[in-house]
Amino acid sequence: AAGVIQSPRHLIKEKRETATLKCYPIPRHDTVYWYQQGPGQDPQFLISFYEKMQSDKGSIPDRFSAQQFSDYHSELNMSSLELGDSALYFCASSEVLVAGTDEQYFGPGTRLTVT
Amino acid sequence: DAKTTQPNSMESNEEEPVHLPCNHSTISGTDYIHWYRQLPSQGPEYVIHGLTSNVNNRMASLAIAEDRKSSTLILHRATLRDAAVYYCILRRTGTYKYIFGTGTRLKVLA
Repeated sequence: AAGVIQSPRHLIKEKRETATLKCYPIPRHDTVYWYQQGPGQDPQFLISFYEKMQSDKGSIPDRFSAQQFSDYHSELNMSSLELGDSALYFCASSEVLVAGTDEQYFGPGTRLTVT
Repeated sequence: DAKTTQPNSMESNEEEPVHLPCNHSTISGTDYIHWYRQLPSQGPEYVIHGLTSNVNNRMASLAIAEDRKSSTLILHRATLRDAAVYYCILRRTGTYKYIFGTGTRLKVLA
């Protein structure tokens, strides 16, 4: 079965650079979620999109932005990178029939290292 | 957002049942109870969810207290592959965000 695809899987950037993470949801899934997981920490919800519209926002820094495109893939753009942005970034997708009841399917994550 | 409280860690012997508790005393009537688990070096994985009634699926069972202020995830026969961090999450109907708490780290002993 098709799974959530994230690219790249690993990314190394320097401070103050920009990074773009991509997420390709499972076919027919209409909702994408982004999470950040620092070393030894729990996943932190960043932002979600339903049918290409931003639906909910969590603890996403102003330096980060995201969007969902017409083909439902999503990109997380991160600017002015800081050392503290080093983390695993997970994307998850779901098919929403009733918001709140959907099952999320997570991708393998992108490991971002900021030096 | 309503919060959940889980024990930091639990241990179980292989092939024995495991009961993972979660307290959510501030739950509202439209909050669904979701459980996810995260195996080492992987993204979280859906386990089960429910609203009021107990739920069963191939992975686990979810027992929800009558007042909904607590719930228990039941793994009927723990295997070594069930060693993971288990998260109990409240998800309000109509919203598109999950707030992960600290979770319970389950260790399964051979």
